[in-house]
Amino acid sequence: GENVEQHPSTLSVQEGDSAVIKCTYSDSASNYFPWYKQELGKGPQLIIDIRSNVGEKKDQRIAVTLNKTAKHFSLHITETQPEDSAVYFCAASVYQTALIFGKGTTLSVSS
Amino acid sequence: GAGVSQSPSNKVTEKGKDVELRCDPISGHTALYWYRQSLGQGLEFLIYFQGNSAPDKSGLPSDRFSAERTGGSVSTLTIQRTQQEDSAVYLCASSFSSGGRTDTQYFGPGTRLTVL
Repeated sequence: GENVEQHPSTLSVQEGDSAVIKCTYSDSASNYFPWYKQELGKGPQLIIDIRSNVGEKKDQRIAVTLNKTAKHFSLHITETQPEDSAVYFCAASVYQTALIFGKGTTLSVSS
Repeated sequence: GAGVSQSPSNKVTEKGKDVELRCDPISGHTALYWYRQSLGQGLEFLIYFQGNSAPDKSGLPSDRFSAERTGGSVSTLTIQRTQQEDSAVYLCASSFSSGGRTDTQYFGPGTRLTVL
């Protein structure tokens, strides 16, 4: 089955810096790759997703890139702000199956 | 509109007791998922309902776990004879799956289960 590896497990940056989180997946059939942000005591919230027919997607300060050949995808956050501090999860899935999640990255943005 | 809701938000039980966790998905969503999040771990898939199809139970960790979805809407996750290792946050998600797309899963706030 699918296996998703996520790195780093923790990331500390200064406000205004960029943050990059990387994930690799094992199942070449996976075609949907969302990123979720989870704040303490809350459920995960989707922040951006990418499908296998696209190599890059951007939404304001957040971008995701996908390399299907290498089976890895990355989350890029630019101009980080303290409110970006949270746990970020990547995930992968094949159409209409459950998401397989990475173990999460705790991002801390200090002002 | 209203998001995914779960109840209770917190549940403390004694080892060996049965518990029921409830999920109300977003109205009109055809797919419903249960995940488990243990301390410091990622989210682990448990079970998936899609419309009237038989559920995908491949993630259930043991036969003490079961779930049902009545009328294609509300779902209940039941854990029988709870063990301490069942302590976790149980998350429910729903999505509107249509055509050939895998659609966004929206998560509820979770139920934190503590087994003493």
